[in-house]
Order: sequence, then C-alpha cells, then structure tokens
Amino acid sequence: QSVLTQPPSVSAAPGQKVTISCSGSSSNIENNYVSWYQQLPGTAPKLLIYDNNKRPSVIPDRFSGSKSGTSATLGISGLQTGDDADYYCGTWDSSLSAVVFGGGTKLTVL
Amino acid sequence: QVQLQESGPGLMKPSETLALTCAVSGYSIRSGYYWGWIRQPPGKGLEWIGSIHHRGNTYYNPSLESRVIVSVDTSKNQFSLNLRSVTAADTAVYYCARRQYYYDRNGASDVFDIWGQGTMVTVSS
Repeated sequence: QSVLTQPPSVSAAPGQKVTISCSGSSSNIENNYVSWYQQLPGTAPKLLIYDNNKRPSVIPDRFSGSKSGTSATLGISGLQTGDDADYYCGTWDSSLSAVVFGGGTKLTVL
Repeated sequence: QVQLQESGPGLMKPSETLALTCAVSGYSIRSGYYWGWIRQPPGKGLEWIGSIHHRGNTYYNPSLESRVIVSVDTSKNQFSLNLRSVTAADTAVYYCARRQYYYDRNGASDVFDIWGQGTMVTVSS
C-alpha cells in the first residue's frame, strides 16, 4: 500500500492528451514539492517533472505538472507510442521523514 | 556527463548481508550533492531506501533503518549500501541515484535526477 495513490492504468490514442493523478495528504503533497518519473519497460526511472511543474532541459514541453492541495497531476499532450511507460509521483513525507512514491500508473498509447 | 553504475552479488541466501556499490563517473562526489538508493521489487513500485550527503550525513527509510547502512568513499568516488538479514522480500532491482534536495517556505524538494541502470538482487535459499 503506497502512501501516494495513483490510478493503476490509463490509456489514450496517439495525439491525444492524458492526465495522471497522484493523491496524498497534508504531510506530503500539500506541504512539499512533487516530482514525476517515467520508467520505460526494462529501464531505470527518468526524472520528468520536479518542484511540481518544472521540467529538466531535456524533457519536451508535452509533459507538464501541477499541484493543488493534497493532489498533483501529470499531463502528457500529443501522445506518442514512445510514451508507453510506467509513471510515478514522488515527494517528501514530513510525518514519515521519508521519500515516498506512488504505486505507479501504466500508460498505454493505443 | 554524470553516470552511475551499480554492482553487487546478484543472488543471495536468506539472512546474508547485501552489499552494493555505486560507482560515480563524470562528477566528484566530494564536490557536493546527496546520493541515494531506491529499490523496486519485481512488478511493483519504487521504494526509497536511504540517502547520504557527500560529507557523510545519512537519512534512512524508517521501515528499513534497523537493517541499512549507506556509506560514501570519496577516494574511490563511490557510495555503498549494506542491508543485513535479507529475506525473499528484499528481492528487487536496486538503483543508485543522485539526489537533489532543498527546503524553502513551500516545503521540501527531494528529487532523484540521475539514476544508475539498476542491478537485480534475488534472495533465495
């Protein structure tokens, strides 16, 4: 049971937009910054979004992040088959004194 | 270009101590940053194990703290994970990563921005 809650799976067609939610609490998402990671099959996670909505320079602007209260959202527009991957949210939990992750969401681009 | 590479035993027996090393290239650990370990059981999500500052300050997941030691060797430009008394539940891919951390009025920012490729560790009798 993960501290952060994500939907197990989402799907959409190429070219469409999809959003992935991450739900937490006041001890984690509401009062700390959220990051998002992409894990392509058989590879290590890669940082997509940090500090709620910032992108590393190598990440295209098709990827976006937002936060409101105890929830965060990852948005991916102009979906490509190469976006087929697992996506994880992560943040610091002030009560647990630990980095916590969501259970992951598998994105299928149909 | 900063790169991280894990190395470890692959297969272990229950009750043994897991020892993993993460070699860092393209950056001198003594120059700064935190460094961390994350694991992923087969078919499951990510679990943070612990992090260490280049000066040696350590931070551990409370659920693993009693069994974990993370250390740094700046002379070899590497850091290590020791996990004692392993069981089948410790079977996972273990990743090392560079951690970026700061704290401001909006809270803590705790991000792993560069990851190693991961090493599979199987615990089986």
